[in-house]
Amino acid sequence: GAGVSQSPRYKVAKRGQDVALRCDPISGHVSLFWYQQALGQGPEFLTYFQNEAQLDKSGLPSDRFFAERPEGSVSTLKIQRTQQEDSAVYLCASRFRGDTQYFGPGTRLTVL
Amino acid sequence: DQQVKQNSPSLSVQEGRISILNCDYTNSMFDYFLWYKKYPAEGPTFLISISSIKDKNEDGRFTVFLNKSAKHLSLHIVPSQPGDSAVYFCAANVITGTASKLTFGTGTRLQVTL
Repeated sequence: GAGVSQSPRYKVAKRGQDVALRCDPISGHVSLFWYQQALGQGPEFLTYFQNEAQLDKSGLPSDRFFAERPEGSVSTLKIQRTQQEDSAVYLCASRFRGDTQYFGPGTRLTVL
Repeated sequence: DQQVKQNSPSLSVQEGRISILNCDYTNSMFDYFLWYKKYPAEGPTFLISISSIKDKNEDGRFTVFLNKSAKHLSLHIVPSQPGDSAVYFCAANVITGTASKLTFGTGTRLQVTL
């Protein structure tokens, strides 16, 4: 496709379950970003990849959050032992060069 | 510590009039600024950007103004159209090494009325 795609679009998890969120960036985009958007807030940075290298993970809120991009294309954000405060929209963005990031539609995670 | 602030959570403008959305920032290291538009259940869509070396950038009905001394930027939409009704996010870029993460404001909901 032409844009960034994310799956699933919606995910409901019971507290304590592990979840995996997938991001397919725009073809050829070397940079990939994950953001978390809580209700009524702007997106907040989680982590950044350049190709397969995770260059910045300073925004990950705890060691329950883990992201990977093993082949420099698709990325997965994994959250272990989910908690209610993890409920948010998780956005993925990719960038070819320059400073403009293009966002996917997001995955809305609800932890019950 | 909110480094990018959008102090107006909502704005209502009549169709055909000018919409002005404002954004303030505190980090003097920011050197690139972007505006994104977001519809419900969709991701943010890039609208327009400006580098800190400029004070104005225009693209059709959209113009972004940057006042570095005041650490303030604004987005002007003229004329406003009903399809412009959405949440608008201001974002700023911090380049640290090879990273380039965006810092967002909390958004302004624009409603364009008939």
